[in-house]
Amino acid sequence: NLVQSGPEVKNLGDSVRVSCMTSGYTFQRYGVAWVRQAPGQGLEWVGWINPYNENTEYGWKFRGRVSLTTDVSTTSVHMEMRRLTSDDTAVYYCARLVRGDLHDGFDIWGQGTLITVS
Amino acid sequence: DIQMAQSPSSLSAAVGDRISITCRPSQDIFGTLAWYRQAPGKAPELLLYAASTLHIGVPSRFSGSGSGTDFTLTISSLQPEDFATYYCQQYHSGVTFGPGTRVDLK
Repeated sequence: NLVQSGPEVKNLGDSVRVSCMTSGYTFQRYGVAWVRQAPGQGLEWVGWINPYNENTEYGWKFRGRVSLTTDVSTTSVHMEMRRLTSDDTAVYYCARLVRGDLHDGFDIWGQGTLITVS
Repeated sequence: DIQMAQSPSSLSAAVGDRISITCRPSQDIFGTLAWYRQAPGKAPELLLYAASTLHIGVPSRFSGSGSGTDFTLTISSLQPEDFATYYCQQYHSGVTFGPGTRVDLK
């Protein structure tokens, strides 16, 4: 199960941190990805992290502005996004990699977190 | 970046119909493709990965085929819960999603 932190309203230029609390599986065996969806739009990949070795990979438009981290003690994954603009208004999802390694499909999704930037 | 072309962008169908959706990446991705269904206001659900592997619990009316630069999702007999938006996703190099195909009731 993946449970995400609650909605946030931010100002232009702010930073935001979204948490994804995992349960029901061995945390370090499965990578976690972040995907966002702007209102009425399609899906956009933000990045992913391997909780075992903390390797990360980010979509090109997010490099330098997003950081993914893990907390093994709470089996959580966190996404921090900086220098927010109105284009960052979206629902942000965390999702588990289906076979564990990065470069795969996503089988378990969080409920989504709405980030509104105004 | 690998671009994903998905067609059609929308289609109308009836319960029981057989439909197919095509996904064409801009370069060879071998078999590194997944398909998702997304109902309005819900998170996406994984249907297939590795182009043709049915995810656990997904009904057998869903099937996937293809490799390289040409992939197809087929639903053999549409059910009421299948009226939704479908996305393909490549994971060969980073991740890119197709723009989606909306399936609605004729």
